[in-house]
Amino acid sequence: QKEVEQNSGPLSVPEGAIASLNCTYSDRVSQSFFWYRQYSGKSPELIMSIYSNGDKEDGRFTAQLNKASQYVSLLIRDSQPSDSATYLCAVSGSGGYNKLIFGAGTRLAVHP
Amino acid sequence: DGGITQSPKYLFRKEGQNVTLSCEQNLNHDAMYWYRQDPGQGLRLIYYSQIVNDFQKGDIAEGYSVSREKKESFPLTVTSAQKNPTAFYLCASSDPREGGSYEQYFGPGTRLTVT
Repeated sequence: QKEVEQNSGPLSVPEGAIASLNCTYSDRVSQSFFWYRQYSGKSPELIMSIYSNGDKEDGRFTAQLNKASQYVSLLIRDSQPSDSATYLCAVSGSGGYNKLIFGAGTRLAVHP
Repeated sequence: DGGITQSPKYLFRKEGQNVTLSCEQNLNHDAMYWYRQDPGQGLRLIYYSQIVNDFQKGDIAEGYSVSREKKESFPLTVTSAQKNPTAFYLCASSDPREGGSYEQYFGPGTRLTVT
């Protein structure tokens, strides 16, 4: 079974700091990588997607991908209390049928 | 206003009863998915459908059934054969394109409690 691993946390950071969330995956053929944010009791919301090695920036969010190391990360700059949520890493599976494999998520707590 | 709707938001059933969860999308997406989420766990794929009148089992299909008679709709039935049906059920859709981009978008979810 292909896996996606995340540290469950909680990751606690002060307001204004950079939060760094990490994810490793086992399937070397994975091509698409996603970060979802999930507030307690709500459904996941797509916040970043990345397909190529390197960095991709969108506002306060930066996704980083290293396929050789099978590692993807999400940086949140100037963290706000409203960023407190669980962040799910998702990786495309092999087989060409649009399947995603999700990690269990990292809980982020941003304190004032 | 495009999106995915799921109903009901909360559902309570007695053990031994079948229950159907609704999922509708107006995003014109071809692919639709059902996931289950248990506390502290990631999403697990139950069923998925890439086109109308076709669907495939995911990783945990036992005790569940689906249909895909219309592009917009992908209802999930939780049968009495499902041993632990209490969970948060999430429907998603995507617009698969050649060359990648498997972005999936989720509905608000249905929280099912079976006692």
